Amino acid sequence: NAGVTQTPKFQVLKTGQSMTLQCAQDMNHNSMYWYRQDPGMGLRLIYYSASEGTTDKGEVPNGYNVSRLNKREFSLRLESAAPSQTSVYFCASSELGRRSVDGYTFGSGTRLTVV
Amino acid sequence: GDSVTQMEGPVTLSEEAFLTINCTYTATGYPSLFWYVQYPGEGLQLLLKATKADDKGSNKGFEATYRKETTSFHLEKGSVQVSDSAVYFCALSSGYSTLTFGKGTMLLVSP
Repeated sequence: NAGVTQTPKFQVLKTGQSMTLQCAQDMNHNSMYWYRQDPGMGLRLIYYSASEGTTDKGEVPNGYNVSRLNKREFSLRLESAAPSQTSVYFCASSELGRRSVDGYTFGSGTRLTVV
Repeated sequence: GDSVTQMEGPVTLSEEAFLTINCTYTATGYPSLFWYVQYPGEGLQLLLKATKADDKGSNKGFEATYRKETTSFHLEKGSVQVSDSAVYFCALSSGYSTLTFGKGTMLLVSP
């Protein structure tokens, strides 16, 4: 099925460890996004890539880096994980840059716990 | 800047009750409006959308009408089911690269 695929689905890290969350979409969308979701905070944008070759900071970028590897793939890296980064991470894609009316397509999420 | 305000939850209803979840927005120009639903343990799914004033979006018995005069996009359903229990997010797009989301409203439906 067409959509957004995130890996892994679950991960436990120790404080200070690094990891990369992977995201791939097969809808030929130009734009991709990383959000985190915490209880009572709604969705907060970490980074986004409006098109291949560009990335921009969102609301909460500190402690994260991203790479738009190609049009399909957009990865999120935690260089030195902290307990405050315990969250559910969602990747999404869209054609919003072209004033699309279709909104986002979301992945199923990565549940990350930092101990 | 753009913003979306949703009623705080949880909203607790009995099965077959009428549902309204309020959503109001602030935006420049003529945004597109969306409702997303998130079932427990899953990602967000697009529920319905409206792209211009007076449009009505509908899906799975849910409806919302784009009211420019009141800058609102309230979600309604005539008879909720236990399976509708989820978190509902209102969102808008002003033509930039990102959506603006509300904080979400949890709906709990009991048998």
